[in-house]
Amino acid sequence: QKEVEQNSGPLSVPEGAIASLNCTYSDRGSQSFFWYRQYSGKSPELIMFIYSNGDKEDGRFTAQLNKASQYVSLLIRDSQPSDSATYLCAVHGSNYQLIWGAGTKLIIKP
Amino acid sequence: EAGVTQSPTHLIKPRGQQATLRCSPISGHTSVYWYQQALGLGLQFLLWYDEGEERNRGNFPPRFSGRQFPNYSSELNVNALELEDSALYLCASSSHRRGEQYFGPGTRLTVT
Repeated sequence: QKEVEQNSGPLSVPEGAIASLNCTYSDRGSQSFFWYRQYSGKSPELIMFIYSNGDKEDGRFTAQLNKASQYVSLLIRDSQPSDSATYLCAVHGSNYQLIWGAGTKLIIKP
Repeated sequence: EAGVTQSPTHLIKPRGQQATLRCSPISGHTSVYWYQQALGLGLQFLLWYDEGEERNRGNFPPRFSGRQFPNYSSELNVNALELEDSALYLCASSSHRRGEQYFGPGTRLTVT
């Protein structure tokens, strides 16, 4: 059973600090990795994707991938109250489907 | 570029009836995925359609079914509705070459 694991949280971070979200996956054949943000009652929104080992930066967001250790992380710098949401990690498996983590609830405290 | 659209936004149906939910993918996307998200829970994969064919289904009973039309739009049918079917139903589309999926706003189904 191919799995994606995330800490459910909630993860509480002070405003202006760095929020660090982590995700591990079991399928070594996975090639693409995604982070989605979901506000309560809304649909998931794609915020980052990464295909290669290392870091990928987009504004305040940095995705990190380590295929040898099978983990993906998302860093949010200068956290804002509007970043409070559930963050979903998704991994593209060899069967053309995304395997989803259960999500980490992030709370940014003003 | 228009995003994924879903209709209706809200749907209220009595137990035992049938519900039909609709989805139009992003132009150029051939894959449509359906998910169920009960309140406070994670995404549960329902169905995947690509090029008009059902490619995979999740661990749901046969009363959950659907189809994909030649224009790649899709509908999800839920027969013999049960109270526990009340959830947000999400449709996502993908060109599947890189894997990223883009979601519609969802249909909130309430079974009374």
